[in-house]
Amino acid sequence: DAKTTQPTSMDCAEGRAANLPCNHSTISGNEYVYWYRQIHSQGPQYIIHGLKNNETNEMASLIITEDRKSSTLILPHATLRDTAVYYCITPKETSGSRLTFGEGTQLTVNP
Amino acid sequence: DAGVIQSPRHEVTEMGQEVTLRCKPISGHNSLFWYRQTMMRGLELLIYFNNNVPIDDSGMPEDRFSAKMPNASFSTLKIQPSEPRDSAVYFCASKTVQETQYFGPGTRLLVL
Repeated sequence: DAKTTQPTSMDCAEGRAANLPCNHSTISGNEYVYWYRQIHSQGPQYIIHGLKNNETNEMASLIITEDRKSSTLILPHATLRDTAVYYCITPKETSGSRLTFGEGTQLTVNP
Repeated sequence: DAGVIQSPRHEVTEMGQEVTLRCKPISGHNSLFWYRQTMMRGLELLIYFNNNVPIDDSGMPEDRFSAKMPNASFSTLKIQPSEPRDSAVYFCASKTVQETQYFGPGTRLLVL
């Protein structure tokens, strides 16, 4: 897996957009970028993934730079329930079977 | 769908005892994963199965740990004998070929 670097923690005001960055400068051409989150005491939850193009689903948007060396997860209107640890993962296998979780970013959404 | 089901949700045992954790994957999913999460080491992949066959067990800590998947709807992770350093949250996850991993709620294990 390509090494990923994320800030240890971030804060966001409720209702505002949360932008979580991830650096993956050693990513190879066929490695996807996956985002998971883990709310306290729960199992990790899949959010979104992408290869080259920007992606959007009901939970979030994923912006991948043209050189693919970094990406940003955007939660457009953060709520208190979005407080969690967010993991950026670039598994070597395109099937997404071998997920290596780093330390992630602790996002705290404040009222 | 009930999601991935794990049992028990909490387990407290004494050192030296055998511990068996159970997982029922989502129906139709053909891959199953066992993870362990601790404060020190984070979330680690222990082993995963494709179509009930173990594919990669390189994350299994040592011979005290064993995992089985006798059929597509059931898997066990056994620790024998258990040690205090095995205390952790153990997660099971499942997926299909096309989809991403769905995680269960975890089993919180405390070995005294």
